[in-house]
This record gives sequence, C-alpha cells and structure tokens, in this order.
Amino acid sequence: QVQLQQSGPGRVKPSQTLSLTCVISGDSVSSNSATWNWIRESPSRGLEWLGRTYFRSKWHNDYSVSVKSRITINPDPSKNQFSLHVTSVTPEDTAVYFCAREGLGDAFDMWGQGTMVTVSS
Amino acid sequence: QSVLTQPPSASETPGQRVTISCSGSSSNIGGNYVYWYHQIPGTAPKLLIYRNYQRPSGVPDRFSGSKSGTSASLAISGLRSEDEGVYYCAAWDDSLSGFYVFGTGTKVTVL
Repeated sequence: QVQLQQSGPGRVKPSQTLSLTCVISGDSVSSNSATWNWIRESPSRGLEWLGRTYFRSKWHNDYSVSVKSRITINPDPSKNQFSLHVTSVTPEDTAVYFCAREGLGDAFDMWGQGTMVTVSS
Repeated sequence: QSVLTQPPSASETPGQRVTISCSGSSSNIGGNYVYWYHQIPGTAPKLLIYRNYQRPSGVPDRFSGSKSGTSASLAISGLRSEDEGVYYCAAWDDSLSGFYVFGTGTKVTVL
C-alpha cells in the first residue's frame, strides 16, 4: 500500500525559503511509471499544481510557469523521498501543500496528508 | 487562477442524482483526459474518475464521468450523505499556462 508522509515547518518568514519533504512508502521515487508532484491549495488560488520530478532513464523536472523561477523539486533515492523548495516566499504562498503520486491513468492517485504553511513575520 | 470552470455549488436530496459540469478549452479538456477528485474539508483530494470515465478500484458505480468537446461532467446517482464535499475536475494543459490545471470546485450538499 502506497503512503506519502509529508514533513516541514508550518511557518516561514517572508523572503525566506519554504522547504517540505515527502517520504514514500510502498513505491519508489525512481519508478519508471510514476511521477512525484507538489500541489497547493489556497482560498485565493484554489488547487494549483506546482511541479513534478520523475525518472525515465534519467531525472526530469517540470514546473508550473506561475512559480517556475522560484521552485525546485529534488528527488532523493537514498531516502526514497522528494522535496519542494520555494524561494523568496510572500504571503501569497500561504497555502496547504500536498505531495502526490501521478500513477493510475496519469491521475493523482495517492496524496500526502497536507501541510499548512503560513508565510508571516 | 483556475482555467476550468465549475458551478460553485450543487445540492440534492438523498437518493437523487446530481450532475456537475466542467468547462475548459481546446488546450486542456479538448485535447486531454479529464479527471475528477472529491475533497472533504481538511483532507487531501481523493481520485474519483480518471481518463474521462474510468473509476479506480473502490469507487462505486454511482459515480460516472463523461466528456464532450471542451466540457466534461460528473454525475452522482443515488446521492448519499457521505458524498458531501467539494468536487474538482482537472486536466493536463498543453498551453504555456501550466502543465496540470484544476477546476474551480463544486461544493455538493446533500439536503
């Protein structure tokens, strides 16, 4: 059974970097059939896909144009996890952040529990 | 921010049928699969429908999805109290606006 367990701080100061980790059990971050995604949800922007990392003979990353200049998603095969880093955060980055697997039928079929991140001084 | 438009709310009595629409464009729904998710407040979304109409194991056949052109719909028949929550459509988008887009969400209330 696949499970995704998120961790990371619930509060980040403006202009700093938001960092979250998603630990995978029951699957592999190096899977040749899945991708590993970060999605956030806020009242103002709704559900917003941020980006993904995946392995297909080599590592690939795709990012949403809305955050592309500030976001990095890194896989860590040694720990079977992947992480999200968003630089230069503002209050607009306040949201619930989810990690998710793109698996069955190219859908997000497994989700982490969500992490509420508040950007505030 | 959302590029897929849904009605904000829908309601019906138990046992009845409710249908939720999702309107997009040629760069998303028109050329790609549609997905549906159900979210109970405070929890992560749960996959209901993938590739327009297919149901994951464990999702009852009361839920059905369809797509026509640049629009899609989700029908819930035999409505039950546990069906309450917010339903989101989603699709991959081929335009520069992003790779994956979600709908605005429809809150379903069982009266």
